[in-house]
Amino acid sequence: AQSVSQHNHHVILSEAASLELGCNYSYGGTVNLFWYVQYPGQHLQLLLKYFSGDPLVKGIKGFEAEFIKSKFSFNLRKPSVQWSDTAEYFCAVNEGKNTDKLIFGTGTRLQVFP
Amino acid sequence: DVKVTQSSRYLVKRTGEKVFLECVQDMDHENMFWYRQDPGLGLRLIYFSYDVKMKEKGDIPEGYSVSREKKERFSLILESASTNQTSMYLCASRGILAGADTQYFGPGTRLTVL
Repeated sequence: AQSVSQHNHHVILSEAASLELGCNYSYGGTVNLFWYVQYPGQHLQLLLKYFSGDPLVKGIKGFEAEFIKSKFSFNLRKPSVQWSDTAEYFCAVNEGKNTDKLIFGTGTRLQVFP
Repeated sequence: DVKVTQSSRYLVKRTGEKVFLECVQDMDHENMFWYRQDPGLGLRLIYFSYDVKMKEKGDIPEGYSVSREKKERFSLILESASTNQTSMYLCASRGILAGADTQYFGPGTRLTVL
């Protein structure tokens, strides 16, 4: 069965630092990949997604992610974080060819200090 | 914008009570989902529905049932609530048109079972 690993459970950064959050999945076939973000007290919302094409995907608020098929990875990056990026970040992968079901990682809590 | 609403933000129930969590979406989406979110475990799929009166078990259906009598409404039912069902419950919806692969989430219901 498909599984998703987020190795960083809690990340603490100062403003302007660079961010990279890891995400690895297990399924070797065609995948759709997502990063969702949950700001404190808010809905879970889509940050970016990859279905096909350019493996470097740009999302909202200056975030980007790179799909590396050979490494089964979809890491999230931002060159310079802001205090407002404090949130929980979830990586998600569709389950094989079943695009209805998403498998979520356990999440990474990011705290950014001014 | 897609809007997914959930009937309660906070709910406190006693062990053994029957609990109904309601979710409504306003985008005529075919697919709807119920997840529970627990610290360190991420989001886990309880049930989902492809269309009215259709349902599929997710990864953790035990102790739960669902109902989808109308397209816009998807209810999660705890027949006899137990303390291990204390959690945050998230509802999501998704359309099936080409390119509509994103799940949209509601604000969540934080359920406490005493």
